[in-house]
Amino acid sequence: GAVVSQHPSRVICKSGTSVKIECRSLDFQATTMFWYRQFPKKSLMLMATSNEGSKATYEQGVEKDKFLINHASLTLSTLTVTSAHPEDSSFYICSARSDKGHSNTGELFFGEGSRLTVL
Amino acid sequence: QKEVEQDPGPLSVPEGAIVSLNCTYSNSAFQYFMWYRQYSRKGPELLMYTYSSGNKEDGRFTAQVDKSSKYISLFIRDSQPSDSATYLCAMRGGSARQLTFGSGTQLTVLP
Repeated sequence: GAVVSQHPSRVICKSGTSVKIECRSLDFQATTMFWYRQFPKKSLMLMATSNEGSKATYEQGVEKDKFLINHASLTLSTLTVTSAHPEDSSFYICSARSDKGHSNTGELFFGEGSRLTVL
Repeated sequence: QKEVEQDPGPLSVPEGAIVSLNCTYSNSAFQYFMWYRQYSRKGPELLMYTYSSGNKEDGRFTAQVDKSSKYISLFIRDSQPSDSATYLCAMRGGSARQLTFGSGTQLTVLP
């Protein structure tokens, strides 16, 4: 199946700093990518929809100035957690759907996730 | 009421057992139905997907969709310890881009 690469897989940072997480579709182009947050033993919570060449669409309750999303190319989306605080510690997962072929089937391919720990 | 309901478990079964995982939903517009498997501290991986009602089989896994009852199931035959994971159902409508996920069921297959 299609591969989505997410980096870094783990990051520890100090409170007040910013952290950038990258999501790449390795063998397909993705106009749209999604960013999720997952708490322990909980399901995926959609944070925002990342659109190549335009502004991201944020879900209700997600601060867009806190979680900056940039979808600069058809294979790369980044999530930057700005001025991170301990409550931002979580597992962040991106996903992408190919622009071709499987777009009607609804198949989403997920990255491996990035575990952020803010001290 | 949540759009998608899924029993969180945990569910423990002995090796070799048949496992039945289920989700119910309320939105009749959902047409695409998926099951994802997520190992601890990993991203979800697509296991099965079906369109509209019917059954789909892939090896030890069978997905069933009953749109009239708004009920989907995933069956795992001859379960193995390596099947131990959290299973998430997901679904979307025809034109929607994003998926609606169930809360996930944590499964443990005991050797």
